[in-house]
Amino acid sequence: QKEVEQNSGPLSVPEGAIASLNCTYSDRGSQSFFWYRQYSGKSPELIMSIYSNGDKEDGRFTAQLNKASQYVSLLIRDSQPSDSATYLCAVNIGKTSYDKVIFGPGTSLSVIP
Amino acid sequence: DGGITQSPKYLFRKEGQNVTLSCEQNLNHDAMYWYRQDPGQGLRLIYYSQIVNDFQKGDIAEGYSVSREKKESFPLTVTSAQKNPTAFYLCATFTLNTEAFFGQGTRLTVV
Repeated sequence: QKEVEQNSGPLSVPEGAIASLNCTYSDRGSQSFFWYRQYSGKSPELIMSIYSNGDKEDGRFTAQLNKASQYVSLLIRDSQPSDSATYLCAVNIGKTSYDKVIFGPGTSLSVIP
Repeated sequence: DGGITQSPKYLFRKEGQNVTLSCEQNLNHDAMYWYRQDPGQGLRLIYYSQIVNDFQKGDIAEGYSVSREKKESFPLTVTSAQKNPTAFYLCATFTLNTEAFFGQGTRLTVV
């Protein structure tokens, strides 16, 4: 069974702090990794994608990938109340572009003003 | 603007009734997927299609059916065989890099 797991929430951080969201995956052959943000009652939206080991930064967001440890994380610096949402980790477990993407259960983040 | 349109936004189903959820896209993406999301849970794959006239079962296909007669359209029918259909349904397309674009979702409730 191919699995994607995320740290259990809810996660609460004060405004201005760093929020750290973690994700592990079971398929060592996975090539593509994504973080989606989902506000309550809305559909998910892509915020970061990462394909190679190391860090990828986009504004206040940094994705970190370690394929050897089968671990991907998302750091949110200077957290804002508008960052309060559920964050979904997704992993493409296939070897071709259209193979199945597996979503994790999500971590709920609450940023306290 | 390109995007994915799901309709209706809210849908109510009576016991024993079949209902169809619409998903239309103008992104020219080949791959279209249907997911189900229950409160506090992640996305579970129902069906997916990578090309016209072909589709595959996902992890929870029982009680659902789909068709893919056109590249732009991938409707999902929730049949009476689906005993617990109340959920949030999401249609998605994928880019070549497997980045997902989602419709706004349909919230289905059994009454």
